[in-house]
Amino acid sequence: QKEVEQDPGPLSVPEGAIVSLNCTYSNSAFQYFMWYRQYSRKGPELLMYTYSSGNKEDGRFTAQVDKSSKYISLFIRDSQPSDSATYLCAMSNPLLGGNKLVFGAGTILRVKS
Amino acid sequence: DSGVTQTPKHLITATGQRVTLRCSPRSGDLSVYWYQQSLDQGLQFLIQYYNGEERAKGNILERFSAQQFPDLHSELNLSSLELGDSALYFCASSVGGDPTDEQFFGPGTRLTVL
Repeated sequence: QKEVEQDPGPLSVPEGAIVSLNCTYSNSAFQYFMWYRQYSRKGPELLMYTYSSGNKEDGRFTAQVDKSSKYISLFIRDSQPSDSATYLCAMSNPLLGGNKLVFGAGTILRVKS
Repeated sequence: DSGVTQTPKHLITATGQRVTLRCSPRSGDLSVYWYQQSLDQGLQFLIQYYNGEERAKGNILERFSAQQFPDLHSELNLSSLELGDSALYFCASSVGGDPTDEQFFGPGTRLTVL
């Protein structure tokens, strides 16, 4: 079993829809949670960063962390065709030292105009 | 553009060969990370250097080695290449070396082993 599970999709939605992307994890030591967006043939770029449980909002993006359920989510409101990309969740365990990120498999999102 | 540069963009080589991938971090960043991205394994952490010293290690094969030089650029050396080493190799950098430090990824080097 992988430490971080993420449905690879693809997820196809119409423009303007609310998108929900999710990851589950097994290691309760993870404390830092991130969402990266990766366009085709590009490097990942950080979208959201959350420490421990709670919600964080940035424009059309909202990240949620539920440590009791070992479940994290990314919501995208008013989705646009430019949001079409692969979304990767990532998390890190501060007890290990350093800054090793463990990634999910990534969910391919397609927003149709 | 993240400010992290990687060379070369593409590399095609044969099994058994050795290659070197190069990474220049963002100005001011002290940490460099190497990741491997393949279709079957996803994005996997290989190794982290902080100011020239190894800080964290992932499931990096013994055939792979890395170093960070005094000017903070880093190189990833891959030897005795196998078909399964074909992947995208990303370098990332961050200001510090802790989980609170955002990692900025470069554009990647696509390695094809024939």
